[in-house]
Amino acid sequence: SQQGEEDPQALSIQEGENATMNCSYKTSINNLQWYRQNSGRGLVHLILIRSNEREKHSGRLRVTLDTSKKSSSLLITASRAADTASYFCATVFQGAQKLVFGQGTRLTINP
Amino acid sequence: GAGVSQSPRYKVAKRGQDVALRCDPISGHVSLFWYQQALGQGPEFLTYFQNEAQLDKSGLPSDRFFAERPEGSVSTLKIQRTQQEDSAVYLCASSLGGLEGYTFGSGTRLTVV
Repeated sequence: SQQGEEDPQALSIQEGENATMNCSYKTSINNLQWYRQNSGRGLVHLILIRSNEREKHSGRLRVTLDTSKKSSSLLITASRAADTASYFCATVFQGAQKLVFGQGTRLTINP
Repeated sequence: GAGVSQSPRYKVAKRGQDVALRCDPISGHVSLFWYQQALGQGPEFLTYFQNEAQLDKSGLPSDRFFAERPEGSVSTLKIQRTQQEDSAVYLCASSLGGLEGYTFGSGTRLTVV
């Protein structure tokens, strides 16, 4: 499988704290995307970062990409209870169209 | 429509039964993908269409799985002679085909008993 690895597998923090999730992948990518999945629901696209970009922001989300280390991180600042969900990174490899997902990080925000 | 629509939302099939899962992508979206997600796992790629052409079916686990998109819009994923290991959530996603995020449907939860 070409799946990347996500770390940690599970993360539990207090509301208001920052949450950081990491993702590593194996081969050269075209872009990397982060998705959120609430229990029993579909995936929601959060942010896309291209291979020539190093950092991207969207609201309380900050994504970094280090192509030399083949890794990315997702930072959620000032977490809220509604951020409780599973977060997946997904890569589009060069020359391909399909998304390849990691195993995900289960984030729990405690009120 | 405004989003990707999948039906049915839930399907219970007896082992050996054939099932058909439907995906209505966003109007005008060229690319359509099917994924299989087991409980607690990340989605696994099954197949990809660009308009009506099935360009990648490398993820289909066996010849019991078949997908089609005859008019380049609605797609159907068919599973013949279902087995217990086919129990999973089947997700459909569509995109314009450029460099942007994909829009996923809510999925069909298939349970084979």
